[in-house]
Amino acid sequence: EAQVTQNPRYLITVTGKKLTVTCSQNMNHEYMSWYRQDPGLGLRQIYYSMNVEVTDKGDVPEGYKVSRKEKRNFPLILESPSPNQTSLYFCASSSLGTGKDEKLFFGSGTQLSVL
Amino acid sequence: LAKTTQPISMDSYEGQEVNITCSHNNIATNDYITWYQQFPSQGPRFIIQGYKTKVTNEVASLFIPADRKSSTLSLPRVSLSDTAVYYCLVGRKLNAGNNRKLIWGLGTSLGVNP
Repeated sequence: EAQVTQNPRYLITVTGKKLTVTCSQNMNHEYMSWYRQDPGLGLRQIYYSMNVEVTDKGDVPEGYKVSRKEKRNFPLILESPSPNQTSLYFCASSSLGTGKDEKLFFGSGTQLSVL
Repeated sequence: LAKTTQPISMDSYEGQEVNITCSHNNIATNDYITWYQQFPSQGPRFIIQGYKTKVTNEVASLFIPADRKSSTLSLPRVSLSDTAVYYCLVGRKLNAGNNRKLIWGLGTSLGVNP
């Protein structure tokens, strides 16, 4: 089954404790992206990657890092989480820009709470 | 910079047709329009995508006028299970490569009543 898998689904942590949210897709997509979703603000892009070893900032990259060492994986790293990073996070992948349907596939989300 | 604007919320009744309009006044020639549906505690799910005129699939229709400054998602005969948030998205090609800028609306919360 074609899917984007995020882990964990829920995470509670404390300020300053490094964490990683994993994302994996099995559709051989070149494009992957991270979003955060906050009430009243919709979906805001954090980082995206057009292919392996190619990453770029989205609209709200401050406080986040990503890496794309393999095509299927795109982890989101919070080196020193702060309470304002409490949010619902989504990973997405797509064959964007390859001439096929420009359709995003989303994971189920990670609800992060930073105390 | 392009911006998409859509109503915050709408209400309807089962069996009715629902039309949600998104405004994207600064849409560029090569931009395309996509709509997503999101249920609580789930990621958005693709509904329909188009460039101009009308596109129809098994769940919805997308109407795009000639000037492309707006688009309308049409859901025929909605049911309670169509209660969700609907997002309008404009996709913009940034350069000669495959890079894209995705411009999201803030979403329309659709409530379907019995």
